[in-house]
This record gives sequence, C-alpha cells and structure tokens, in this order.
Amino acid sequence: ETGVTQTPRHLVMGMTNKKSLKCEQHLGHNAMYWYKQSAKKPLELMFVYSLEERVENNSVPSRFSPECPNSSHLFLHLHTLQPEDSALYLCASSQEVQDTQYFGPGTRLTVL
Amino acid sequence: GENVEQHPSTLSVQEGDSAVIKCTYSDSASNYFPWYKQELGKGPQLIIDIRSNVGEKKDQRIAVTLNKTAKHFSLHITETQPEDSAVYFCAASSGGTSYGKLTFGQGTILTVHP
Repeated sequence: ETGVTQTPRHLVMGMTNKKSLKCEQHLGHNAMYWYKQSAKKPLELMFVYSLEERVENNSVPSRFSPECPNSSHLFLHLHTLQPEDSALYLCASSQEVQDTQYFGPGTRLTVL
Repeated sequence: GENVEQHPSTLSVQEGDSAVIKCTYSDSASNYFPWYKQELGKGPQLIIDIRSNVGEKKDQRIAVTLNKTAKHFSLHITETQPEDSAVYFCAASSGGTSYGKLTFGQGTILTVHP
C-alpha cells in the first residue's frame, strides 16, 4: 500500500445527489492532488493543494468542489453531476509539489 | 502546455522477453519523468523515475532512458513475468511554476503470456 487511502471505493449517484469523496494520506506529505481517470483518456489533473492552500485549479467545472482542512485530508464535494463525470477519481500526495506523487486506489464513480 | 505521447497503446510479449514503451514530450523545460504501473482495481504505482540531469536509470529488471535532445524517454522491462501485466503510464513535469503538474501519456496495456 502507498499510504494514501480513499473512501468510498465505489459510488453510484443520481444527477441531483450531493456526495463527497474522501482522501487521507499517512505519509506526512504537504501536497495533495485530485485526478480524474476516464476510459481511453490520460489522467487529468483537477486540483492541487500545498499546505492546505489550493495552488492549481485545472479548469474544473464548479460542480466539483475540493476541500483541504489539513495536510492529511482532502475532500472532493460533488453536486449536480453529469453522466460524463463517471470515472475513476484518484487522490495523490507528495512531500512537496515538485516531489514524487503517490496515488491512492481511487473511487469508481458512476453517475446515473 | 505540455503534451505527452505514449506508444504502443497495447503490447503483448512472451514470458522472458523484453518490453519497451516509448514516450515523447513537447515542453523542453520538463525535467522529471516518472513511470507508473496500474493494476486492475488499483491506483497507479510509481515504478521508476528519472530527472533531466541523468540519461539512464536502472532498478533490477526495469530501466528508463532519457534523450533530452530528442525529447523522448523509454521504459525497458527485461525478463518479463506474468505479474508485469498491467497498464503502464509515462508522465512529464516541468516543475517551476507548474506546481508539480504531471502530464500523463495515454497508457500502454502490457500483457505477458506464460
């Protein structure tokens, strides 16, 4: 295991639901990331946090709202999603933003 | 921005053979090139990485080479085993103000036949 955990591992939600994805890292890292992995597409960076401050928002729709309450936890709040948002959402962490990134197992999201 | 192309998209080899996956990148400022392995139901796991001040790096059966002039880097796996079967991703990062942004290739599905 990499020391990065994600819950839930699987999530099915309707377009009107509100849900949250959780990521926790046990590595003492200062940077955390959200990625989206869709079928037949490269991993897409969504958000970067460094010391709980968002330093990158990669043109992500506002229906995705990140939250980083401390350097060990990262959330992705979801509301009024679209079916095309169905994907594997991966969390990663690194010591600092320029360092090697370690990924969690992901949350498989299905939007009906 | 950075663009990373990865080839081939699928690779099938016999156990014991070598496998080579190649990536090209567009941003000459890129200076960090990791390779990740992703098994079914798991997140990507770092298997080897290289920085631009090094031309080659080896770790047991895995090696990575970097040609900065041509802007390409390759993953070499020797003596392949069935457990090497997975999806492999290359990535590039230019550091600086890009806040650790990794740009990933499209992935290579490697299948090692016993």
